[in-house]
Amino acid sequence: NAGVTQTPKFQVLKTGQSMTLQCAQDMNHEYMSWYRQDPGMGLRLIHYSVGAGITDQGEVPNGYNVSRSTTEDFPLRLLSAAPSQTSVYFCASRRVEQYSPLHFGNGTRLTVT
Amino acid sequence: EDQVTQSPEALRLQEGESSSLNCSYTVSGLRGLFWYRQDPGKGPEFLFTLYSAGEEKEKERLKATLTKKESFLHITAPKPEDSATYLCAVQAGTASKLTFGTGTRLQVTL
Repeated sequence: NAGVTQTPKFQVLKTGQSMTLQCAQDMNHEYMSWYRQDPGMGLRLIHYSVGAGITDQGEVPNGYNVSRSTTEDFPLRLLSAAPSQTSVYFCASRRVEQYSPLHFGNGTRLTVT
Repeated sequence: EDQVTQSPEALRLQEGESSSLNCSYTVSGLRGLFWYRQDPGKGPEFLFTLYSAGEEKEKERLKATLTKKESFLHITAPKPEDSATYLCAVQAGTASKLTFGTGTRLQVTL
């Protein structure tokens, strides 16, 4: 059982470039989300989705776009990368019932120069 | 605004030396408190969910407890493989998002 799979594991971008971080889960979870993790700060929610075709903003959504066309996939798009977006990005999913625990992927480490 | 504070930031223990990690929280209407373990270069791995004051959960050498203001993760006779960062998160009210603390980095030496 693969769980939550994120690609790529590492990425270096130049300021202004765009890219898509991929996330796929095979647990049939309705809820999917993206977090960023920065030193000295807790994980912060970027965007989330409660099902195909439904997305909403988290606490730090600026500069990021998401879409959810299938239950399995939830890509995160950086529209025009900035150094402030250097971070480790985690995708997580859970059952739609509230208070179900999140299952995390192993992250994408992004550096923007 | 929901707040989660974890202490200490870092903890170094010898193998077998029991201790506790603290997670204090300020939320409006706690619905669930979650503990996760995170190894370097990996995503957080779920450990426990606690829902109400007085509740306790155990898994191997770990026991999590919850009061109205804080949660403790007790580690009994730790082993080097328990070395990791332990994260606490809360879910409150009707919000679906979690608020995470910054974690406690635990190192257990021989």
